Amino acid sequence: EAQVTQNPRYLITVTGKKLTVTCSQNMNHEYMSWYRQDPGLGLRQIYYSMNVEVTDKGDVPEGYKVSRKEKRNFPLILESPSPNQTSLYFCASSFFLGNQASIANTGELFFGEGSRLTVL
Amino acid sequence: GNSVTQMEGPVTLSEEAFLTINCTYTATGYPSLFWYVQYPGEGLQLLLKATKADDKGSNKGFEATYRKETTSFHLEKGSVQVSDSAVYFCALSAEGSQGNLIFGKGTKLSVKP
Repeated sequence: EAQVTQNPRYLITVTGKKLTVTCSQNMNHEYMSWYRQDPGLGLRQIYYSMNVEVTDKGDVPEGYKVSRKEKRNFPLILESPSPNQTSLYFCASSFFLGNQASIANTGELFFGEGSRLTVL
Repeated sequence: GNSVTQMEGPVTLSEEAFLTINCTYTATGYPSLFWYVQYPGEGLQLLLKATKADDKGSNKGFEATYRKETTSFHLEKGSVQVSDSAVYFCALSAEGSQGNLIFGKGTKLSVKP
């Protein structure tokens, strides 16, 4: 089954304790992205990756890191979490069509089920 | 810059009522436009899309028409069901954006039996 898998789905942690949210897709997609969803703010992009070893900042990258060492995995790293990073996080992926992610034309962005993170 | 504005919710309707969720956008050139839906406890999924002016996207009884003259992409459904209760997001992908999507803030729809 084609899917984007995130772990953990739920996490409560404390300020300053490093954590990683994993994301894995089994569709051989080149493009992957992280979003956070907050009430009244909708979805905001944190980081994205066009391919292995290629990552770039989205709209709200502060406090986050990512890596793309393998095509299928795109972990989100919070080196020193703070309470303002309490949010619902989504990983998403897409294949390429031509020279850009296919979502430009098809809108086919596949989402994981989300990871709800609480930082105390 | 590029942006999407959609009507604030929540929207509460009775079953079989007519639905409209307004969405307007700001973008240079000719963006592609999308509606995504998020059912409770799930990730977002594509509902419909339109990639050029005057295109009409449709799926599951929902429709939206790409209106360049009014920079709008309003979502409509003639008769909603309880199962349509979800959060709906309007989104755009601007030209030259490498395909990144810009989302609106979402509109929560609740349909009562």
